[in-house]
This record gives sequence, structure tokens and C-alpha cells, in this order.
Amino acid sequence: DVKVTQSSRYLVKRTGEKVFLECVQDMDHENMFWYRQDPGLGLRLIYFSYDVKMKEKGDIPEGYSVSREKKERFSLILESASTNQTSMYLCASNDGGSEAFFGQGTRLTVV
Amino acid sequence: AQSVAQPEDQVNVAEGNPLTVKCTYSVSGNPYLFWYVQYPNRGLQFLLKYITGDNLVKGSYGFEAEFNKSQTSFHLKKPSALVSDSALYFCAVRGPTGFQKLVFGTGTRLLVSP
Repeated sequence: DVKVTQSSRYLVKRTGEKVFLECVQDMDHENMFWYRQDPGLGLRLIYFSYDVKMKEKGDIPEGYSVSREKKERFSLILESASTNQTSMYLCASNDGGSEAFFGQGTRLTVV
Repeated sequence: AQSVAQPEDQVNVAEGNPLTVKCTYSVSGNPYLFWYVQYPNRGLQFLLKYITGDNLVKGSYGFEAEFNKSQTSFHLKKPSALVSDSALYFCAVRGPTGFQKLVFGTGTRLLVSP
């Protein structure tokens, strides 16, 4: 079974904290993605990576950064968490034009 | 740039009736089209995809989708709805060449009543 694993299901952080969301895939996929999901807005792409150490901005990168030191791991970093970053965060991976496989999501609350 | 529109926030259908969830897209070139389903507090699960070939694509759990190039649509269908089909459904599109990001619609909530 293919698997994308996100390190936390639920997370509560304080405003101004540095937050790390971790994602690991076991399918040897080239591409990895971070989305955030908000009601009525669907999924919006934050960052993606098509190779180790390669990253590209998505549609809403402000306030976020990413790290991909190994092929299987893609980390999303909130440099200084703010309340408007309270959201569901979804990690995904794929190869080429194939379907993307998603993790179970991390529901982040910033207080 | 590619985009997806899901015009209905919610679709209501009685169990046993056919269901349709609508999706239209915009992309340069031939599209790669996908449908995903999301149950509460879960990630997205892949249902089906269209890349090339027959316009009618069959997927998981009895779902199918029809690709219509002239209408730029990719509607999700099921002949007989189940209460357990109640969930949030997302359509997604990407372009055909090189690395392109997967763009999602805003989602349609399907509610199947007993």
C-alpha cells in the first residue's frame, strides 16, 4: 500500500512560534506538494518540489518555507505562526502525470 | 494558467437515485483530469482520472466521469447513490507537458439522504 504520512493529525501552536510540519512518502515519488485547505476555498498550493533540494512557490507561499533534504521527506515551515495560518494542511506526492497520493492531513490551530 | 470550477457547493440526492457532481476546467493543451473524495477529518482519496482514451472513465466505488472536450467538462456520476457516498468531492486539473502543478476546485459536498 502506498503511503504518505504526516507527522501530526492535530497541532496547537502559539502566535509567533516556528512550526514544522513533516511529510514522508514511501513511493519514491519525484514530486511532493503542500496544500492548505479552507472551507469554500478548496485546496491551495503553498509550495511544491520536483526533486531533492528543489522547490517552487505555489499560489500562497507568503509566511511559509519548505525543505527537501531527502527524496522521501518534505517539510513545511511556518517561520512565525499567525492566527490566519490556522487551517488544514495536506501533503501529497506523485510521479509525472500520475494521480497524487495524499497524507491524512494536519489540522493546525494557532492561538 | 489552469483552473477548475465546481459550480455547486452542495448536491443533495436520495439514496438509490443517480448523482452528478459538476466540474469544468480551463487549461492549455490536453488536460489531465482527476476526481478525489474526502471524508471528515481525512486526506483526499483518489477516485478516477482521465489522461487519454475513452471519454467515459470508470473509477473506485462505482463512480464514473465523462470527459467532454467541447464543453471543457468532467462531471462525476454514479448510477445509484449510497448514504455512504456522502462526502466532499474535489475535481483537479493539470496541463499535459513537463512539470505542472495540480489545481483543485473549491469542492462540492454531496449529501445522500436515506
